[in-house]
Amino acid sequence: AQSVTQLDSHVSVSEGTPVLLRCNYSSSYSPSLFWYVQHPNKGLQLLLKYTSAATLVKGINGFEAEFKKSETSFHLTKPSAHMSDAAEYFCVVISSSGGYNKLIFGAGTRLAVHP
Amino acid sequence: DAGVTQSPTHLIKTRGQQVTLRCSPKSGHDTVSWYQQALGQGPQFIFQYYEKEERGRGNFPDRFSARQFPNYSSELNVNALLLGDSALYLCASSDGVPLYGYTFGSGTRLTVV
Repeated sequence: AQSVTQLDSHVSVSEGTPVLLRCNYSSSYSPSLFWYVQHPNKGLQLLLKYTSAATLVKGINGFEAEFKKSETSFHLTKPSAHMSDAAEYFCVVISSSGGYNKLIFGAGTRLAVHP
Repeated sequence: DAGVTQSPTHLIKTRGQQVTLRCSPKSGHDTVSWYQQALGQGPQFIFQYYEKEERGRGNFPDRFSARQFPNYSSELNVNALLLGDSALYLCASSDGVPLYGYTFGSGTRLTVV
């Protein structure tokens, strides 16, 4: 079965400093992984996706993630945090079984950005 | 281009009542999935519908049901509401190719009192 574990429930950074949100995955085959962001009272927005092409994936708003098979990790990074990055971030894996696909979400990491 | 539209945005119901939530998928999408997001947790898969047929169901009781219409819109019904059903209900649509990602609506916030 596929699963993801987000290693930090809360991360706090200062504006202009790097962001690192950690995610480990478990999968019996090559996974398809996503990062989604959820701003307060909003739906989920796709940041980026890994689908077994390039291991370094670039997304929107300056975010990127690196797929590391040896470490079963898919950490999300951004060189310089902006106040507008404060939100909940979810690492997600696609589960393909029973003839359909569904998303398996991690518990989320709340990112706080301080001036 | 309209994304996924959900209605209503907020809802307050009493225990034991029934509720219907609605979702219109993004234009060009034919697959609709429903997720429940309890406070402080990640979304949990409830249902997926394609061509008006249920493709998959998560670990939810039979009080939860859904359907999809010919225009691909969908309704989620919950009967005999419990306090624990209070959550944000998210609808996601896709074009059948999950690797392209799912488009989510803003959700319906259901509060059961």
